[in-house]
Amino acid sequence: EIVLTQSPATLSLSPGERATLSCRASQSISSYLAWYQQKPGQAPRLLIYDASNRATGIPARFSGSGSGTDFTLTISSLEPEDFAVYYCQQRNSWPITFGQGTRLEIK
Amino acid sequence: QVQLVESGGGVVQPGRSLRLSCAASGFTFSNFGMHWFRQAPGKGLEWVAVISYDGRNKYYADSVKGRFTISRDNSKNTQDLQMNSLRVEDTAVYFCAKELHGYSYGLDWGQGTLVTVSS
Repeated sequence: EIVLTQSPATLSLSPGERATLSCRASQSISSYLAWYQQKPGQAPRLLIYDASNRATGIPARFSGSGSGTDFTLTISSLEPEDFAVYYCQQRNSWPITFGQGTRLEIK
Repeated sequence: QVQLVESGGGVVQPGRSLRLSCAASGFTFSNFGMHWFRQAPGKGLEWVAVISYDGRNKYYADSVKGRFTISRDNSKNTQDLQMNSLRVEDTAVYFCAKELHGYSYGLDWGQGTLVTVSS
């Protein structure tokens, strides 16, 4: 099973700042990584798929990069609605696995 | 637009069974793989199972293999999750999700249904 480790666990930033979230895989997963955003009481929303492709309707301030074992989600300028929990997920091999999440909170 | 509505959640004793259903609309159901994910209270996301668009291929998380069975009925636009031998650790909100076409990612999600396993 591929283990995904996200860092930091919590990120405290202010609106307008740049956010950088990390996801590291226990073995190479090529570019088969997605990022999701989840707000309290809601289902997750797919932001980025296959490392760097924005899903339909996702604002351009969200970008993803990386390949192999190291991946990054960047939010270029935080909007108030971006404060949420973010998860990475790999589809390189079964079983599908998630990282433990990064909580992005308002400073 | 895409709509996924889960049903069948509730409170059940350990060792008992429960069947979840997901009713899909707003897209050509028979063209897409479908997933079940879950989220224990206050915890992160966990993938549970996937079924291919034609129902021929199914994969499960190790934690549910041999106890849960995923199925679909393309004539009714529904998918189900039969959960047997339930454990306290199966307590979670269960989400039905439609894949991003050709990719094993959850693009569209239902609102979730809560399953509580407790004596």
